[in-house]
Amino acid sequence: EIVLTQSPVTLSLSPGESATLSCRASQGVASQLAWYQQKPGQAPRLLIYDASNRATDIPARFSGSGSRTDFTLTISSLEPEDFAVYYCQQRHNWPWTFGQGTKVDIK
Amino acid sequence: QITLQESGPSLVQPTQTLTLTCTFTGFSLATTGVGVGWIRQPPGKALECLAFIYWDGEKRISPSLNTRLTITKDTSRNQVVLTMTNMDPVDTGTYFCAYKGVLPPTFGHWGQGTLVTVSS
Repeated sequence: EIVLTQSPVTLSLSPGESATLSCRASQGVASQLAWYQQKPGQAPRLLIYDASNRATDIPARFSGSGSRTDFTLTISSLEPEDFAVYYCQQRHNWPWTFGQGTKVDIK
Repeated sequence: QITLQESGPSLVQPTQTLTLTCTFTGFSLATTGVGVGWIRQPPGKALECLAFIYWDGEKRISPSLNTRLTITKDTSRNQVVLTMTNMDPVDTGTYFCAYKGVLPPTFGHWGQGTLVTVSS
C-alpha cells in the first residue's frame, strides 16, 4: 500500500498570505495524484487532479505541482473560505490512498 | 448535473451487517471508463477508500477489509451497494460514495455522506 505523508499537519496563516502544502508518496505514483479540500460537516471537494490540473470551477489561486513522489499544493493568496483541511490522494495503485491531511487555519 | 446520495442505517449493532446504498443521477454506470467508490472517514480522522466498481463490473476491494466487503451495482436503477459484515465500533464514521469519471479520472463528485455508528 502506498503511504502518503502530508506536511505540515497544521498551517496557521492570515488571509492574503500564501500557503504551501506538501505530499510525499512512499513510492512513485507518476502524476496520478489529486488534492481535495474538506470543510467541517462536508464532503471533500476535488481541487487538483493528475498533480497539476485544476478541476472545474476551482479558482486560479489553487495550483498543484510535482511528480513521482513529491507533490505540492499552493494557494497563492488565502481567502477566508480557504481555511479548511486538505488531503492528497493517489490512484496509481490499489488501494487508492489518502494522506492524513493538512489543516489550514486562521492565524 | 451529477448527484450522489448515500442511504442506510445510522446505527448498527456490533457483529451486524451494514448495507449502504448510493443512488446517483447525471451519469450512467454503463458509460465506458466511469465508476463509483465508497470512502469512509472516522470522526476527526482521514479518508479511507474501501471499494470501487467500474462500469464493466470490475471491482476493487481494500485488502485490509476484503473478507468483509462486497460492492455491487444495479445499472438500471442507478445504484451501487456496499455491504460490510461483522461491524465493530471502530467502523464508526461517515461513509461517502463518490463518482470517478473519465475526466477528471478521480473522485470529482461526492455524496454528502452518511454517519454510521456502531454501538450496542
